[in-house]
Amino acid sequence: SQELEQSPQSLIVQEGKNLTINCTSSKTLYGLYWYKQKYGEGLIFLMMLQKGGEEKSHEKITAKLDEKKQQSSLHITASQPSHAGIYLCGAPRTDYGGSQGNLIFGKGTKLSVKP
Amino acid sequence: NAGVTQTPKFQVLKTGQSMTLQCAQDMNHNSMYWYRQDPGMGLRLIYYSASEGTTDKGEVPNGYNVSRLNKREFSLRLESAAPSQTSVYFCAIKAGFNSNQPQHFGDGTRLSIL
Repeated sequence: SQELEQSPQSLIVQEGKNLTINCTSSKTLYGLYWYKQKYGEGLIFLMMLQKGGEEKSHEKITAKLDEKKQQSSLHITASQPSHAGIYLCGAPRTDYGGSQGNLIFGKGTKLSVKP
Repeated sequence: NAGVTQTPKFQVLKTGQSMTLQCAQDMNHNSMYWYRQDPGMGLRLIYYSASEGTTDKGEVPNGYNVSRLNKREFSLRLESAAPSQTSVYFCAIKAGFNSNQPQHFGDGTRLSIL
């Protein structure tokens, strides 16, 4: 069955440090979405990647999709306390009744940033 | 969050009670989704509605029913609540079912069943 595995599960970094979160798929990715979730809130959409080798940036966050389209990374440069939260990757589902419009999600990476 | 309103935000039920979770959007999007989020399990799809007038089962539909009342509203009903349904429930919307546009989420309903 299709699975998205995120690593690490949790991460504590000092403010100002760089960090990377990975999302690995058991099947070829036909799109990859990154979301951020703060405690008690919903998921906020960050970025979407579709093509192998694609890279997108927004402020200090950069997301990449590898050429083989089976892994994505999220990189935060010079982390700040405002970056703290849970980061989730999601991808179009291809193994559940052909419902490619639906998403499967990783279990999330919890990021804490120490001031 | 992106024009998705969920009510209520919190609810405590007793086993066997029934309840309807409401989701309304003001984005005029076609597709709507209900997920549950549990520790260690991530987000799992309960039901979805690709467009007004249609609903389909997701990954974990047992114990739930849904209604797509109109284009704006998609409700989730627990007919006889069980402790295993204690969870955080999220509603999401998307412009078109087969489009590559992202889903946008509400703030969630935190449901505890005693």
